[in-house]
Amino acid sequence: NAGVTQTPKFRVLKTGQSMTLLCAQDMNHEYMYWYRQDPGMGLRLIHYSVGEGTTAKGEVPDGYNVSRLKKQNFLLGLESAAPSQTSVYFCASSYWVLDTEAFFGQGTRLTVV
Amino acid sequence: QQQVKQSPQSLIVQKGGIPIINCAYENTAFDYFPWYQQFPGKGPALLIAIRPDVSEKKEGRFTISFNKSAKQFSLHIMDSQPGDSATYFCAASLSQGGKLIFGQGTELSVKP
Repeated sequence: NAGVTQTPKFRVLKTGQSMTLLCAQDMNHEYMYWYRQDPGMGLRLIHYSVGEGTTAKGEVPDGYNVSRLKKQNFLLGLESAAPSQTSVYFCASSYWVLDTEAFFGQGTRLTVV
Repeated sequence: QQQVKQSPQSLIVQKGGIPIINCAYENTAFDYFPWYQQFPGKGPALLIAIRPDVSEKKEGRFTISFNKSAKQFSLHIMDSQPGDSATYFCAASLSQGGKLIFGQGTELSVKP
């Protein structure tokens, strides 16, 4: 049972390049989330999804887009990367939010130069 | 605007001490308050959680205290061990809306 898998684990981008981070979960969870983790800022919610075909903005959505075409996958896109997007990105999933555990992936360390 | 504020940012205690981490929230509609533990290089993992209808919850050496009127909650770690050294995050969520909002995190170091 893999749980939540993020790919890639590391990436270096040049300013202006685009990329997609993939999150896959095998627990049949409805809810999926993308967070970024920065020193002193904690985990900040970028976008989230409450089911297949749905997405919603979180606390810091600017510069990112997401898609949830299949229930098990949640994609995070950066159309034109900026150095301010250098961060560690975590994906998480849960059955739903209240009283249930959110399971996190191992993270993707992204550096934009 | 940070909806969940956590303090302190870092904490150092001796083995056997009782570190206390505090969180405050603004949105009175939040109705679920979990704590997550994160080790270096890993994703966060659920440690303990509480609903606002109780004032305290204990699981092993970990205790959450909840003060609904003050909109504050805290994590206490009894008899702390070096293996408890990690980053701790408080969080809050709504039963409707799907958001799980985290605090800024506390880096705990327990010295032998």
